[in-house]
Amino acid sequence: ETGVTQTPRHLVMGMTNKKSLKCEQHLGHNAMYWYKQSAKKPLELMFVYNFKEQTENNSVPSRFSPECPNSSHLFLHLHTLQPEDSALYLCASSQDLQPYEQYFGPGTRLTVT
Amino acid sequence: SQKIEQNSEALNIQEGKTATLTCNYTNYSPAYLQWYRQDPGRGPVFLLLIRENEKEKRKERLKVTFDTTLKQSLFHITASQPADSATYLCALPYFNQAGTALIFGKGTTLSVSS
Repeated sequence: ETGVTQTPRHLVMGMTNKKSLKCEQHLGHNAMYWYKQSAKKPLELMFVYNFKEQTENNSVPSRFSPECPNSSHLFLHLHTLQPEDSALYLCASSQDLQPYEQYFGPGTRLTVT
Repeated sequence: SQKIEQNSEALNIQEGKTATLTCNYTNYSPAYLQWYRQDPGRGPVFLLLIRENEKEKRKERLKVTFDTTLKQSLFHITASQPADSATYLCALPYFNQAGTALIFGKGTTLSVSS
């Protein structure tokens, strides 16, 4: 499989649930990112990892917990989310940090009930 | 703080015409700028990168300009086709203690009618 893959593609969870989003990139890139995309809003950067080390946490609430076990895999662990967290969560990778272009996965459509 | 504006939420044009999308930025002097295309329910796809010392860049029917004096980039699609209908995002780098990342505009949704 090529490019950036994300699972699951759709997720419905209650506010008390714990779930995880998974991202895998097959491009040999060193940097990986999590973004949140809500309706009528620009993409919001959440986390950046470079060579497995977190280099950016964009003031994200602690109910979102990222994990990067290696340069190819990125997880976003979710717990006690709020309805306003419903959004499209996108994973991306790039060869290194900027100025390289970013390659995005298809996203996980998350609905919090 | 840095701000990006794509001043049209939606743009409707007829097939065969040239679409022109605008990206303006303030409080900022980026070394480069990127354009992405996003289809509904999908992740953005990289299209073009233009550096501050490049006035213009082309790729097939796409053309991007970068005016650092006006703090503006224009994105043109010539001979537009219905398949070009999508949301187009501009993105610029920002720098902080942790390193660099991209900040995205809200996007302009282009609709090309046949």
